[in-house]
Parts: sequence; structure tokens; C-alpha cells
Amino acid sequence: NAGVTQTPKFRVLKTGQSMTLLCAQDMNHEYMYWYRQDPGMGLRLIHYSVGEGTTAKGEVPDGYNVSRLKKQNFLLGLESAAPSQTSVYFCASSYSRDVVYNEQFFGPGTRLTVL
Amino acid sequence: EDQVTQSPEALRLQEGESSSLNCSYTVSGLRGLFWYRQDPGKGPEFLFTLYSAGEEKEKERLKATLTKKESFLHITAPKPEDSATYLCAVQARDNFNKFYFGSGTKLNVKP
Repeated sequence: NAGVTQTPKFRVLKTGQSMTLLCAQDMNHEYMYWYRQDPGMGLRLIHYSVGEGTTAKGEVPDGYNVSRLKKQNFLLGLESAAPSQTSVYFCASSYSRDVVYNEQFFGPGTRLTVL
Repeated sequence: EDQVTQSPEALRLQEGESSSLNCSYTVSGLRGLFWYRQDPGKGPEFLFTLYSAGEEKEKERLKATLTKKESFLHITAPKPEDSATYLCAVQARDNFNKFYFGSGTKLNVKP
């Protein structure tokens, strides 16, 4: 079991460039999440998905888009990168949103710098 | 507004010196409170889930407790390998698709 994997691990973009971050999980989890982590601010939810083909906005969705075409994959896109999007991005998944089994499993992160 | 505050921001302990980390929260009905450990350059790793006031959970040198307004992570006789950032998160009952994280407590245990 690889758990939750993210690609790439590091990326440097210029302002205005676009990119896609890929998250994959092999635990057959229904729920997947994208967070960003900035110093002193904790993890903030960008978008989430409660199942294949569904997505929803989180706390800080502006400037990002997502897609969940397959249950095991959750993609995060930046159409026109801005320096304010410099951050570490984490993907997470969970089996259920019920009281039991709703802990999130996190990937190793993608460190993105926008110049 | 749902909010999670962790204190202290940083904590330095000598090996064997027990202490506690605090997570206070305001949420419109708590569905669950979660503790994670995060090592530098890695993703958070799940430790505990607490669901109701009075609940306690233990794992090795760690013990998490929950009241109606806050949670504590007690570290008994810590070792250098316990050094990490500890994150607290809450899940609200009326919006259980979203998790609100605190900014963490960075723990450094010196030998």
C-alpha cells in the first residue's frame, strides 16, 4: 500500500504559468481533499470531493480548480499562478465522513514556488 | 465562526520533562477533534480522534483529552524522537465535510 502519493514533490513556476498537481490514493477512500499550508496559518482547505465525479469549494478556493474523474485520483489545477499561491500543498483522503473511520490520511506534500 | 487555536506556538523540553499542549476551539457543534503529528518536510500523520467531552485516548507517551471548549495533548517523559509539530483539527457537526486546523505547536525535546 502506497497510501496517498503526490506528484510533483517540488515545482517552481513563473507568474501566469499553469500547472496541475496530481494526488493518488490506493485505499479505496471516497473522500479526498486539497489543503495548502502556510507558515503560522495552519492547513486551509482549498477544495474537496465526496466521491468520483463530485467536487466542492473549501475555505480558500479562488485561483484553483479541481477534478475527480477517477475515484483514486484528485487533481488540483492552477490556471494562472500568482506569487500568493506559493505554499506547500497537501492532499488527503478519508474512508468516510461518519463518526468512525473519518480520520484523514495525508500525502507527502508538493512545495510550490511562484516567482 | 469556527476557529481552532493552539498554544504554545513552540515548546522546548528536556528529555523526560512532561508537559501538555493545548487546543482550544469554537465550533457550532463538535463532530470530532483530531490530533496529528507532522515531521519536517512530511505530511501530517494521524494520532487520535476524540468525539465527546470527557473522552481520553492514549498512545505510548501521548494522551489526548477533551472538554467542551478545549483538548490537551499530554506528553509523558518525552524522548527526542517525539520532536515534531503537533496539529489539532476540528470537524463541525453542521458542516462535516470541512476540517479546521490550528497552526500547530512545534515541540523540541532535547536529550
